[in-house]
Amino acid sequence: QVQLVESGGGVVQPGGSLRLSCTASGFTFSTSAMHWVRQAPGKGLEWVAITSYDGNNEFYADSVKGRFAISRDNSQNTLYLQMNSLRAEDTAVYYCAKEHPGSTGALDYWGQGTLVTVSS
Amino acid sequence: AIQMTQSPSSLSASVGDRVTITCRASQGIRNDLDWYQQKPGKAPKLLIYAAANLQSGVPSRFSGSGSGTDFTLTISSLQPEDFATYYCLQDHNYPFTFGPGTKVDIK
Repeated sequence: QVQLVESGGGVVQPGGSLRLSCTASGFTFSTSAMHWVRQAPGKGLEWVAITSYDGNNEFYADSVKGRFAISRDNSQNTLYLQMNSLRAEDTAVYYCAKEHPGSTGALDYWGQGTLVTVSS
Repeated sequence: AIQMTQSPSSLSASVGDRVTITCRASQGIRNDLDWYQQKPGKAPKLLIYAAANLQSGVPSRFSGSGSGTDFTLTISSLQPEDFATYYCLQDHNYPFTFGPGTKVDIK
């Protein structure tokens, strides 16, 4: 069965950096586009970034562009999110999600999420 | 970026009720619209993709319709496990954008 397991969350000071990981299993990771979505405490969902199946294309939300970088290692079935220059408003649960094979953009499986807290 | 609105922001309903949630895009997005259900403390779950396609394993009481700018999620007969928050997502253009959500609770 499809499994996505995020890790790397924690508490970081404003201006700091953190790298999230998402380990995938149960599907062909190397042929799936992958996304990050976040949810601030008590708030709605916010799409963050996508990487194409081969890592050659990526897009970002305006709120994280230039600060966050999505990447992947298909040999390790792992997705990453490098987060730099973190701000208080980046505090959220971060989910990784795989793209539906039959519908570009639809997110058919999600991880359980990892909490990032930006605070001094 | 394409802006998504949802109405209502919340609703109270009873088991067995027919429930309709609306999502509107700030510009035409063809049928590039998905619906998600989220329960407290859990990851979102895909219900409907490409506006009207039922995701595998999702009960048939859920249905979606619409194209262009106006979309609807309908629950034909609300069940106890359906009390949750529902989000639409446009995947027509980057950056993708979610609607603000509709919370469905028990009347």
